[in-house]
Amino acid sequence: DVKVTQSSRYLVKRTGEKVFLECVQDMDHENMFWYRQDPGLGLRLIYFSYDVKMKEKGDIPEGYSVSREKKERFSLILESASTNQTSMYLCASTPGGYETQYFGPGTRLLVL
Amino acid sequence: SQQGEEDPQALSIQEGENATMNCSYKTSINNLQWYRQNSGRGLVHLILIRSNEREKHSGRLRVTLDTSKKSSSLLITASRAADTASYFCATDESGGYQKVTFGTGTKLQVIP
Repeated sequence: DVKVTQSSRYLVKRTGEKVFLECVQDMDHENMFWYRQDPGLGLRLIYFSYDVKMKEKGDIPEGYSVSREKKERFSLILESASTNQTSMYLCASTPGGYETQYFGPGTRLLVL
Repeated sequence: SQQGEEDPQALSIQEGENATMNCSYKTSINNLQWYRQNSGRGLVHLILIRSNEREKHSGRLRVTLDTSKKSSSLLITASRAADTASYFCATDESGGYQKVTFGTGTKLQVIP
């Protein structure tokens, strides 16, 4: 079974803090994705990566950056957290192409 | 931008009844997928239908795709309380590169 894990289920941070969300997959998948999910807006793609050290902007990259130093790990960074980044963050991976995405359990982030 | 839009936004049925959810999208696609999300958790892939397929079955799930109308439907037969979840369609655009776009979801409640 593919397993995608995220570093925290719940996180509370203060405005202006630097926040790291980590995602690890154990199936040697090439592609990894970060989404945020908000009520009424569904899932929106923040960034994705199709190879180590490669990254592509999604639909809402502003205020975020990512890092992929190893194939299995994809980190989402909030350089200076703001209250409008309070959300559920979901990581996913896929072996390639337009195939099934495997999701982690999500991190619910609250920025005060 | 949102590619898939689910309808209805919310659906409440009795256990044993069938549940039908619809998804409409805007541009030509390669594949359409349906995912399920239990409250506060990550998404789980249910079924993928390719643009050259019209219908697909998996257990109690039946998915149809009408590319001329740019729409798909997910039918869950003989629903169970455990089917209570949100359901999302996801599309990848023809010519797009390794990313899918999720709709806003249908929240299904199955009453025991």
